[in-house]
Amino acid sequence: AQTVTQSQPEMSVQEAETVTLSCTYDTSESDYYLFWYKQPPSRQMILVIRQEAYKQQNATENRFSVNFQKAAKSFSLKISDSQLGDAAMYFCAYRSAGGSQGNLIFGKGTKLSVKP
Amino acid sequence: NAGVMQNPRHLVRRRGQEARLRCSPMKGHSHVYWYRQLPEEGLKFMVYLQKENIIDESGMPKERFSAEFPKEGPSILRIQQVVRGDSAAYFCASSLLRDRGYGANVLTFGAGSRLTVL
Repeated sequence: AQTVTQSQPEMSVQEAETVTLSCTYDTSESDYYLFWYKQPPSRQMILVIRQEAYKQQNATENRFSVNFQKAAKSFSLKISDSQLGDAAMYFCAYRSAGGSQGNLIFGKGTKLSVKP
Repeated sequence: NAGVMQNPRHLVRRRGQEARLRCSPMKGHSHVYWYRQLPEEGLKFMVYLQKENIIDESGMPKERFSAEFPKEGPSILRIQQVVRGDSAAYFCASSLLRDRGYGANVLTFGAGSRLTVL
């Protein structure tokens, strides 16, 4: 069975600085998708960024980028120029390309604090 | 577009009572997913439904839990004879298309329903 591990329960960053959140996963599959979701205090789950495993190029979305290392099964999220609104829980998630579309497997999350 | 709407946002039940959680998907979305989030945990998949069909219920507990998505109206997650261990946040998500093995269709989540069992 696939698993997703986020080894940092909490992280802190100074406003305008850069922070990297770690995520590793375990799978025997070669084709899959990886996601980062943000959950602010409102509890709304918001998609931050996604990566297809067959793509070697790392995904980027404005200030958010990933470092996808398929061989190492690592999928870290980098947030540049951190803003106060980035403070939230961040969840890494995995989905098999061949499985049920909805069966996302989540890590336990990393709580990010942003200091002014 | 109102997004995925869940209600109630907060629900309190005593042990043995029934809990019903509702989810209206985004306009035009015909696929609904339910997830449960226990305290200090990530979300765990429960069930995936299309209109009038259960596609994947591999994450649903075998007893007391059921889900439906009728032709008309919202999707309902029903928990009978609730116990304290059912206390959690229950999230609904919806999507437009069923994945056909390529691409990664995006799930849009609601704000969740927090169930507290006394």
